[in-house]
Amino acid sequence: NAGVTQTPKFRVLKTGQSMTLLCAQDMNHEYMYWYRQDPGMGLRLIHYSVGEGTTAKGEVPDGYNVSRLKKQNFLLGLESAAPSQTSVYFCASSTHGGFSYNEQFFGPGTRLTVL
Amino acid sequence: GQQVMQIPQYQHVQEGEDFTTYCNSSTTLSNIQWYKQRPGGHPVFLIQLVKSGEVKKQKRLTFQFGEAKKNSSLHITATQTTDVGTYFCAEANQAGTALIFGKGTTLSVSS
Repeated sequence: NAGVTQTPKFRVLKTGQSMTLLCAQDMNHEYMYWYRQDPGMGLRLIHYSVGEGTTAKGEVPDGYNVSRLKKQNFLLGLESAAPSQTSVYFCASSTHGGFSYNEQFFGPGTRLTVL
Repeated sequence: GQQVMQIPQYQHVQEGEDFTTYCNSSTTLSNIQWYKQRPGGHPVFLIQLVKSGEVKKQKRLTFQFGEAKKNSSLHITATQTTDVGTYFCAEANQAGTALIFGKGTTLSVSS
């Protein structure tokens, strides 16, 4: 099993460009998450999904959109990239939500720079 | 809103010294999880605590859940260079659908 994979690993964008980050998991997990990590800020939740076809906003959703058309994939879109979106993006998945045993498995991350 | 506070933000120790990081919540927790992120890597799950006063050990790591379920700690005995990284605690949001992470404690170890 590959676990959680993320594409691409690195990307440089110019302000105003758009892009999509792809997350894929092969563990048949219901829950999937997108986080961003900035120095000194920990992991901040952008959007998450509790199942195929569902999405919900996290702590910092502005400027991002997501889609979960297939259970194994969770896409994060930036419609018009801004320098403030320069960050490391992590995808994660888990079998359940927060009230039961729900170890989250993280992907390797995507390092995005917006110039 | 729901917050998880972690202290200290940074800690440097000499190899062989002990290390402790603390996690405090503004709410009573149903459970708490701990993760480790090595430099340049991704967070990896270490453990989950569920019961009031619970203590769990993993080799040199000791995890504790407070009696009131509002705080937790991670203690490392006799640190090694392999312990370097950032340690995060995380609690469930009120809906039970996602985790809220603390900002982490970054541990550096010199030999």
